Amino acid sequence: DSGVTQTPKHLITATGQRVTLRCSPRSGDLSVYWYQQSLDQGLQFLIQYYNGEERAKGNILERFSAQQFPDLHSELNLSSLELGDSALYFCASSPRGPGMYEQYFGPGTRLTVT
Amino acid sequence: KNQVEQSPQSLIILEGKNCTLQCNYTVSPFSNLRWYKQDTGRGPVSLTIMTFSENTKSNGRYTATLDADTKQSSLHITASQLSDSASYICVVGAGGGADGLTFGKGTHLIIQP
Repeated sequence: DSGVTQTPKHLITATGQRVTLRCSPRSGDLSVYWYQQSLDQGLQFLIQYYNGEERAKGNILERFSAQQFPDLHSELNLSSLELGDSALYFCASSPRGPGMYEQYFGPGTRLTVT
Repeated sequence: KNQVEQSPQSLIILEGKNCTLQCNYTVSPFSNLRWYKQDTGRGPVSLTIMTFSENTKSNGRYTATLDADTKQSSLHITASQLSDSASYICVVGAGGGADGLTFGKGTHLIIQP
C-alpha cells in the first residue's frame, strides 16, 4: 500500500459525459501528479500540482482539467468524453517536486467510456 | 526528442531462473533513471532510482545498472519468483520537472512454474 488513495476504482460512462476522479496523496506529500495509461501505451504524464499550484503540464487535453485543494487532495475532471479516453488514470505523490524524490502511485481509476 | 526504448517487449522464463531487461534512452540533460514494477491493473512501484554518478543499485533480488556513456540501463532479476510476473518500466528524468520524465513502454515478464 503506497498511501495514495484514488476513487472511484472503476467508472463506466457514456460518450459526451463528464467525470471527476479523486486522489488523496500520502500524508505530508505536497506534489500530486496525474498519469494516463491506455492499453497499448505507456504511462503518459498529464499534469502536476505542488501545494495547490500547477507546476508542470504534459500531454493533457483541453477537455481535461485538474486542481489541488488546500487539504492537498486533487481532482481530475474529464469532460466531453470520447471512446479513446478509456484508460487507467493514476495519481502519484511525492514530498516536493519530482527531482530525485520518489513518486508513490495510487491504485488507479479504470475509466471505460461506452 | 527524448525517448526510452525497452527490450524485450515480453519475456517468459521459468521460476528460479535469472533474467535481464534492457533500457536504452536518448534523454538530455540526463538527471536520473528509475525502474518501476507494475502488476496488472495496479499502480507502478519503484524498484530503484539512480543518478549520473551511480552505476549499480540493488533492491533485494533486483539489481539495476547504468552506463551513462552509452545511455543504457539494465535490470537483472535473480532467482525469479512467480510474484515477479509484472511489467517493468524504465523512466528517465531530464532536469527536475515532472514534464521531464520520459517513460518506456515496459517489458512484460511472465514467470512460469
